[in-house]
Amino acid sequence: ETGVTQSPTHLIKTRGQQVTLRCSSQSGHNTVSWYQQALGQGPQFIFQYYREEENGRGNFPPRFSGLQFPNYSSELNVNALELDDSALYLCASRLAGGRADTQYFGPGTRLTVL
Amino acid sequence: ELKVEQNPLFLSMQEGKNYTIYCNYSTTSDRLYWYRQDPGKSLESLFVLLSNGAVKQEGRLMASLDTKARLSTLHITAAVHDLSATYFCAVDMGSNYQLIWGAGTKLIIKP
Repeated sequence: ETGVTQSPTHLIKTRGQQVTLRCSSQSGHNTVSWYQQALGQGPQFIFQYYREEENGRGNFPPRFSGLQFPNYSSELNVNALELDDSALYLCASRLAGGRADTQYFGPGTRLTVL
Repeated sequence: ELKVEQNPLFLSMQEGKNYTIYCNYSTTSDRLYWYRQDPGKSLESLFVLLSNGAVKQEGRLMASLDTKARLSTLHITAAVHDLSATYFCAVDMGSNYQLIWGAGTKLIIKP
């Protein structure tokens, strides 16, 4: 158990819809990152939030957006869903500060876009 | 652009054998992570390697880092079935701990 939870576990949407995925970080972790993992591939970095502000973004379009809240929870929002958005979405939290800090991953949300 | 390559991508081996997974990366980084993922599950942290020559061991797994060669290895000693999983290496881009991941090595250990 990493102390990081995500909801929902599974989700089915249709093309063009919007979706919100939720993550609850470990208590005290001030940084959360979101990743997209397509089947059979490694995770792809979407973006990272530190103290409620985005401070890094991967190669994802603006229809991927996020929020981080003071209570260590965060959201990933995806607008205008496309078929290629079908993937496992992982959030990971850590406490920024030390060199050896490790990201702790949640169990993921499996999104299927039909 | 930082690229991370793992090989092999698939490995089937017998219990009791030794093998090594390789992780090459294309630009300078002094922070490399190894994770394990079981089918349908999330990612479990195995090792964090922070400096050239770093070596860490946990049970039958040993990881090392050579920053000059831009190479990390994950060595499996006397494999057991429970080690069957997909293993990922991930390299820190050097900015805000954004990780670039390899494609993963799917390891199957047969009794």
